Amino acid sequence: AQTVTQSQPEMSVQEAETVTLSCTYDTSENNYYLFWYKQPPSRQMILVIRQEAYKQQNATENRFSVNFQKAAKSFSLKISDSQLGDTAMYFCAFRDDKIIFGKGTRLHILP
Amino acid sequence: KAGVTQTPRYLIKTRGQQVTLSCSPISGHRSVSWYQQTPGQGLQFLFEYFSETQRNKGNFPGRFSGRQFSNSRSEMNVSTLELGDSALYLCASSRDRTNEQFFGPGTRLTVL
Repeated sequence: AQTVTQSQPEMSVQEAETVTLSCTYDTSENNYYLFWYKQPPSRQMILVIRQEAYKQQNATENRFSVNFQKAAKSFSLKISDSQLGDTAMYFCAFRDDKIIFGKGTRLHILP
Repeated sequence: KAGVTQTPRYLIKTRGQQVTLSCSPISGHRSVSWYQQTPGQGLQFLFEYFSETQRNKGNFPGRFSGRQFSNSRSEMNVSTLELGDSALYLCASSRDRTNEQFFGPGTRLTVL
């Protein structure tokens, strides 16, 4: 069965710093999708970034980028120049037929 | 384009009652998934519907059920409510079963 592990329950960084959130997953499938979602204190979950497993190039969205290591089954999220508005719960998710979420990393951006 | 909407936003019920939650997906999205979110268990998958058919089901008792209508709107029902059913219930829609999901604001259910 597929699993998604986020090993950092909580992190704090200073504003403007760079932070990396880790995510590992386990699957025997070759074609799948990976996502990072953000859930701010307002509770609306929003998509941050997505990665197709067949693409070797790491996805980027403005200050957000991923380091996708397919062989290692690792999918970390890097937030550059962190901002106060980045404070949120971040969920890593894996999807092939089913979608599975990790337990999340609570990220605090400190002023 | 309107986002995913969920009604009601807040609900208070007592043990033993039943409840129905509603989700309207983004126009054109045919896949709707439901999740239960609690502080202790995190985000747990309930079920997924695609074109009115249940495609996947999580590890929840039979008290939890759902359905999807021809317009892709979905409802989930919880019968014989228990205190442990208190949670935020999130609905998410996607264009198909491989694309990213867009989440609604959730329904906060409190069981007394």
